[in-house]
Amino acid sequence: GENVEQHPSTLSVQEGDSAVIKCTYSDSASNYFPWYKQELGKRPQLIIDIRSNVGEKKDQRIAVTLNKTAKHFSLHITETQPEDSAVYFCASLYQTGANNLFFGTGTRLTVIP
Amino acid sequence: DTGVSQDPRHKITKRGQNVTFRCDPISEHNRLYWYRQTLGQGPEFLTYFQNEAQLEKSRLLSDRFSAERPKGSFSTLEIQRTEQGDSAMYLCASSLARGTGKAFFGQGTRLTVV
Repeated sequence: GENVEQHPSTLSVQEGDSAVIKCTYSDSASNYFPWYKQELGKRPQLIIDIRSNVGEKKDQRIAVTLNKTAKHFSLHITETQPEDSAVYFCASLYQTGANNLFFGTGTRLTVIP
Repeated sequence: DTGVSQDPRHKITKRGQNVTFRCDPISEHNRLYWYRQTLGQGPEFLTYFQNEAQLEKSRLLSDRFSAERPKGSFSTLEIQRTEQGDSAMYLCASSLARGTGKAFFGQGTRLTVV
């Protein structure tokens, strides 16, 4: 099955700085890559996603880039704010078989005021 | 509330007991996923339905686990003879099979086996 690796596991940044989280995937057939934000005790919330037919997508302060050749994708958060502090998960839609979403192990982002 | 809902939110059970969780997906969503999440980890895929058909089961899903979605709407996840290692958050998500395929999660059921 698909293997999604996510780095770093923890990330601390000063308020206003940028944060970058990187993920790699193993199945070249995967074609959909969402990112979820999970605050303590809450459900994962979809914040942005990208399909394999585009290389970059942006939504206000967050952006995602995809390199299909290298099989990696990244989440970029600019002008970080304390409310960005959470655990972020990348995921890959595994197209071989039953279209399962496989998740990375998460990155705990702390934005220091 | 038109989101994914799960019941109960919390469940404490003694080892060896059976438990059942329920998930109500977003009404027009025909795909339904079950995941398990332990502290500090990402959601681990357990099983997946498209309408009433269970199309995929993870090797994580032992014989003690069974899931159903009898009418293609709500789903139940049953764990028989619970073990302490079953303690986790059980998350349900739903999506459309066509279109964007965006998956939305419920709030989860936190299971504690004592």
